Amino acid sequence: GPKVLQIPSHQIIDMGQMVTLNCDPVSNHLYFYWYKQILGQQMEFLVNFYNGKVMEKSKLFKDQFSVERPDGSYFTLKIQPTALEDSAVYFCASSLVGYEQYFGPGTRLTVL
Amino acid sequence: GDSVTQTEGQVALSEEDFLTIHCNYSASGYPTLFWYVQYPGEGPQLLFRASRDKEKGSSRGFEATYDKGTTSFHLRKASVQESDSAVYYCALSDRQGTGSKLSFGKGAKLTVSP
Repeated sequence: GPKVLQIPSHQIIDMGQMVTLNCDPVSNHLYFYWYKQILGQQMEFLVNFYNGKVMEKSKLFKDQFSVERPDGSYFTLKIQPTALEDSAVYFCASSLVGYEQYFGPGTRLTVL
Repeated sequence: GDSVTQTEGQVALSEEDFLTIHCNYSASGYPTLFWYVQYPGEGPQLLFRASRDKEKGSSRGFEATYDKGTTSFHLRKASVQESDSAVYYCALSDRQGTGSKLSFGKGAKLTVSP
């Protein structure tokens, strides 16, 4: 089936640094999403994105977070600056129409 | 806000056992309900969904029935196989529209022994 890729699979950074998580969505998809999962907890919605704009963001999507998809390439989540509580697995998803969201394998972010 | 509750964190079964994983939800209106499955090293993938009261979703021998009266969407399979070992997530979408966010339960890790 359609694949969503995420790069890198694991990222370790020091608190206060900037990090960019990259997502390569399914090629003809139009809607893009980021979810966050802290170890042992449920996956939680961060933000969704369509036509170059944020549609909806949760309270977890702090001011230090931003998303973009320049020129139809990677869909990125940038965190600047990072905090210890940002350590989690971040899942990217994309969808065409309807409800089926296709998820990537996740990027494990460790903030030291 | 909307929420999904899964009570089983870990489920251990033998092949050919009957599986039930419970899912209850809290949402206003008429949410769409989903079951996702996640294998090691992969992202969650959709098993099936249901949008109306009494609608049954099914795939690969798994099934669940939307029950608005009990706000439930329990996952069942009559005879599990070792290859069914994975994490199963119940989720809901509160809006009837494209691009809606998903609210997930905590997931249930199913381990099936041969």
